[in-house]
Amino acid sequence: ETGVTQTPRHLVMGMTNKKSLKCEQHLGHNAMYWYKQSAKKPLELMFVYSLEERVENNSVPSRFSPECPNSSHLFLHLHTLQPEDSALYLCASSRNTGTQLFGSGTRLTVV
Amino acid sequence: QQQVKQSPQSLIVQKGGISIINCAYENTAFDYFPWYQQFPGKGPALLIAIRPDVSEKKEGRFTISFNKSAKQFSLHIMDSQPGDSATYFCAAGTSGNTPLVFGKGTRLSVIA
Repeated sequence: ETGVTQTPRHLVMGMTNKKSLKCEQHLGHNAMYWYKQSAKKPLELMFVYSLEERVENNSVPSRFSPECPNSSHLFLHLHTLQPEDSALYLCASSRNTGTQLFGSGTRLTVV
Repeated sequence: QQQVKQSPQSLIVQKGGISIINCAYENTAFDYFPWYQQFPGKGPALLIAIRPDVSEKKEGRFTISFNKSAKQFSLHIMDSQPGDSATYFCAAGTSGNTPLVFGKGTRLSVIA
């Protein structure tokens, strides 16, 4: 275990549902990241939070909404997703030097 | 300039052989080069990392070779084992909280 915990591990949701992914770390890291991993794009950076402020948003559709209430927690709120959003969603955290530690991911299936 | 080019996309190696994965970068500001290993259903795990003040770093069967002038670095897996079968990602980054730039990954299969 890396110390980065993601829940749930698996999620199946309909296109009209609203759900949230959760990421938690107690490593003292001050940056947190959301990645999307699919067969087409192996590691696609979605959002970066540094010191709880969003510092990067890589043209992600508004149906994905991140939230970072404190330095230990990161959420990804999902609504009206499309089947092509089915993927493994990975959370990572780091402290300054770029060494990112990843969680095990949430396998999302949109039906 | 932010890209990290990784090759090959897939690799099949006999058990006991040497697996070699290469990466190249353009941004000379990069000063941190980690490799990640990912098994199916798991997140990428940090395997080994190097900074440009050394040309080689070895940890067990895993070695990173770094060529600063060519802007290339590579991962060598000695005595490859079936348990090494995974996807390997190289990455490059700079000091501070700038996100790592990842290569597209190499799927390694070690066959007996």
